[in-house]
Amino acid sequence: ETGVTQTPRHLVMGMTNKKSLKCEQHLGHNAMYWYKQSAKKPLELMFVYNFKEQTENNSVPSRFSPECPNSSHLFLHLHTLQPEDSALYLCASSPWGILDSPLHFGNGTRLTVT
Amino acid sequence: KNEVEQSPQNLTAQEGEFITINCSYSVGISALHWLQQHPGGGIVSLFMLSSGKKKHGRLIATINIQEKHSSLHITASHPRDSAVYICAVRGVLAMDSNYQLIWGAGTKLIIKP
Repeated sequence: ETGVTQTPRHLVMGMTNKKSLKCEQHLGHNAMYWYKQSAKKPLELMFVYNFKEQTENNSVPSRFSPECPNSSHLFLHLHTLQPEDSALYLCASSPWGILDSPLHFGNGTRLTVT
Repeated sequence: KNEVEQSPQNLTAQEGEFITINCSYSVGISALHWLQQHPGGGIVSLFMLSSGKKKHGRLIATINIQEKHSSLHITASHPRDSAVYICAVRGVLAMDSNYQLIWGAGTKLIIKP
């Protein structure tokens, strides 16, 4: 149990579908992150939220739309995705402003776009 | 070329062997992290280093700032150590937050019984 829960664990969707990924943390952290992990590539930071405010958008296509209603919940809304978007999407959290505090990751959502 | 390079990309060894995974980086750093990713996907932080050496159980991490190189060692390896080991660095300019990490691509380790 990592303290960060992601649902669903697996998702298969067509290019015209709309779906959402959910992340929830009960660690009292105030920063949450979305990462994309493609096979044999380094993690790519997508979005950062600090106290519910988005502080980083790493040039992510608009077909990915994040939402952070409170410090404990983070969503990633998906629409009109492409097959190259198939990857493992990881959510993480940490305390904000404490340098090098460990990131706490969820187990990820394995997304397949057909 | 990625700013953080790990070697080897894949490593298969027998149970009990001494394991070394390497991480080289090309930028000035303030800190280096080692993380472990289990086959299920979850990532766990193992170490954060800014100098010297750290040990936790059978895991040892070392860093040489002058040579821009870090190693992760596993003594008396066991099949449960099978995972992807990831190196990440925080550059000296990334002083305002801990999310500005530069990530390596990972080393996939398989320990056979």
